Amino acid sequence: EVQLVESGGGLVQPGGSRRLSCAASGFSFSDHWMYWVRQASGKGLIWVSRISGDGGATSYADSVKGRFTISRDNAKNTLYLEMNSLRAEDTALYFCARVQAYYYYMDVWGKGTTVTVSS
Amino acid sequence: SFELTQPLSVSVAPGQTARIICEGNNIGDKNVHWYQLKPGQAPVLVIYRDDRRPSGIPERFSGSNSGNTATLTISRAQGGDEADYYCQVWDINPTAVFGGGTKLTVL
Repeated sequence: EVQLVESGGGLVQPGGSRRLSCAASGFSFSDHWMYWVRQASGKGLIWVSRISGDGGATSYADSVKGRFTISRDNAKNTLYLEMNSLRAEDTALYFCARVQAYYYYMDVWGKGTTVTVSS
Repeated sequence: SFELTQPLSVSVAPGQTARIICEGNNIGDKNVHWYQLKPGQAPVLVIYRDDRRPSGIPERFSGSNSGNTATLTISRAQGGDEADYYCQVWDINPTAVFGGGTKLTVL
């Protein structure tokens, strides 16, 4: 079964750090770009970051650039999001998603992990 | 960046047809994808590349895209279709642009 499972969410103080993980199974992980997408409570979906299959290409939304780092370990079939200098506005449910190349749609999603930034 | 506009909510009676629109400047020139979100569940791709259905998605779900409007159509609506629906396109920056989402109520 093709599956993505996020973990690592929790309560973090403003200015703190957190690392999210996304464990992939059931498909050839290294063949796919991967995205992180977040959703604040009561709000819409916002794209956060992306990474190529070999990890050599990354990009970020302006709101997280310089604070978040996306990476992957293809040997472990795991995607990461390292979040630093966290702000209250980073509070959200974070999803990882598998991307289909060329048309860049997300065909497999995890259930998400919640990050709360609060003192 | 490219902007997508969706109505906040759409209501439909069971068995009737629901249409959720997604508006953007010349969106017909782009590939539009649609996602279904239910609380506590992983989002589901219901339409990709304007009008294609992934395997496992009922034929009741269809899509179209022309001019400045893309449309997700749900025929013979059921209570299980109640969810938030988001349209999405690819753009240079940010990479993925989503509409604001539409809450579908079946009543």
